[in-house]
Amino acid sequence: EVQLVESGGGLVQPGGSLRLSCAASGFMFNTYELNWVRQAPGKGLEWVSYITTSDSTLSYADSVKGRFTISRDDAKNSLFLQMNSLRVEDTAVYYCARVRAYWHFAMDVWGQGTTVTVSS
Amino acid sequence: EIVLTQSPGTLSLSPGESATLSCRASQSVSNRYLAWYQQKPGLAPRLLIYGASNRATGIPDRFSGSGSGTDFTLTISSLEPEDFAVYYCQQYGSSFTFGPGTKVDIK
Repeated sequence: EVQLVESGGGLVQPGGSLRLSCAASGFMFNTYELNWVRQAPGKGLEWVSYITTSDSTLSYADSVKGRFTISRDDAKNSLFLQMNSLRVEDTAVYYCARVRAYWHFAMDVWGQGTTVTVSS
Repeated sequence: EIVLTQSPGTLSLSPGESATLSCRASQSVSNRYLAWYQQKPGLAPRLLIYGASNRATGIPDRFSGSGSGTDFTLTISSLEPEDFAVYYCQQYGSSFTFGPGTKVDIK
């Protein structure tokens, strides 16, 4: 079964850090691009960060640029999001999603999400 | 950055009725890099349509997508009870953006 499972969310104070992980199974992880997408409580979807195969391209939403870092470990079939200098407005459910470049860059597999709460 | 606008914000319909959802882009979406997702409360989004008009694997044929350039449409031909949800469009250009969503609820 093709699956993505996020972990690492939790409660953190403003200015703190968290590292999210996304474990993949059931497909050739190293051949896919990946995204992080978040959803604040009661709000819509917001793209956060994108990584291509072989780390050749990394991109970020302006709202997280300079604070968040995306990375992947193909040997461990894992995607990561290092989040530093967290703000209250970063509170959200964070999803990892598989990108199908041949499907016009649509996201065809999503994890269940991990919740990040930034609060004092 | 391409901004997506979805209308209406909420669509109140009965099962069996047809739903037409609109997604408009602030500039042309290249290569029809436009997708539609369905999201139900507490769940992750589910891909419905990619490339503006291609149904994803396992998506019923009552869902169809059309459009190009700046105007795109998702049509649900006959609403089933499980179709009441929020629908998002998403484009890929130099980055990814989502529309604000259209909620389809039961009238």
